[in-house]
Amino acid sequence: QVQLQESGPGLVKPSQTLSLTCTVSGGSISSGSYYWSWIRQPAGKGLEWIGRIYTSGSTNYNPSLKSRVTISVDTSKNQFSLKLSSVTAADTAVYYCATHSGSYGPFDYWGQGTLVTVSS
Amino acid sequence: EIVMTQSPATLSVSPGERATLSCRASQSVSSNLAWYQQKPGQAPRLLIYGASTRATGIPARFSGSGSGTEFTLTISSLQSEDFAVYYCQQYNNWPRIFTFGPGTKVDIK
Repeated sequence: QVQLQESGPGLVKPSQTLSLTCTVSGGSISSGSYYWSWIRQPAGKGLEWIGRIYTSGSTNYNPSLKSRVTISVDTSKNQFSLKLSSVTAADTAVYYCATHSGSYGPFDYWGQGTLVTVSS
Repeated sequence: EIVMTQSPATLSVSPGERATLSCRASQSVSSNLAWYQQKPGQAPRLLIYGASTRATGIPARFSGSGSGTEFTLTISSLQSEDFAVYYCQQYNNWPRIFTFGPGTKVDIK
């Protein structure tokens, strides 16, 4: 069974770049069966899909964040990463990595989430 | 972007009662609709996909129905562990983004 674990700084200053990594275990990130996504959730609010990457490196991003988001994959480490630039307090949220099989599908595996606070 | 709405925002139910949650899409998503359960401090858990197929290990008291733009999640007899927030999510292939509903909180009456 695939397991996901987010890691990265819990505090980021405004205008800086938020960087998170998701480590995949229990399966190969380059197996070709899965797409790898980032999803976030501000405290007390709903879920927002940020974007996804396939093992080939192809990406899809939420248009609302596209100008600030970069998702990349490191198959040698079985990891994928999120970079979100020019952050503000509105980017404070729990960030989840998640995965689905097939081109489009439900998110069947999730990481536990990591809280990132944007504050000076 | 496909906008998802859910109703009601909060549903107060007694244990053992039936709960019916609604989800609506702003345009047809066919049956590309999932339901998730989220408890405080936890990641969402997939309950239903394909509008009506239970995910692995999900009890039979959870059922989903609908297609196109109108969907329903029914919990036939609420157990104490079912009090949580429920989100619907569309994963239709066009436009190519995933969107979630705002959630329905099921709490104890």
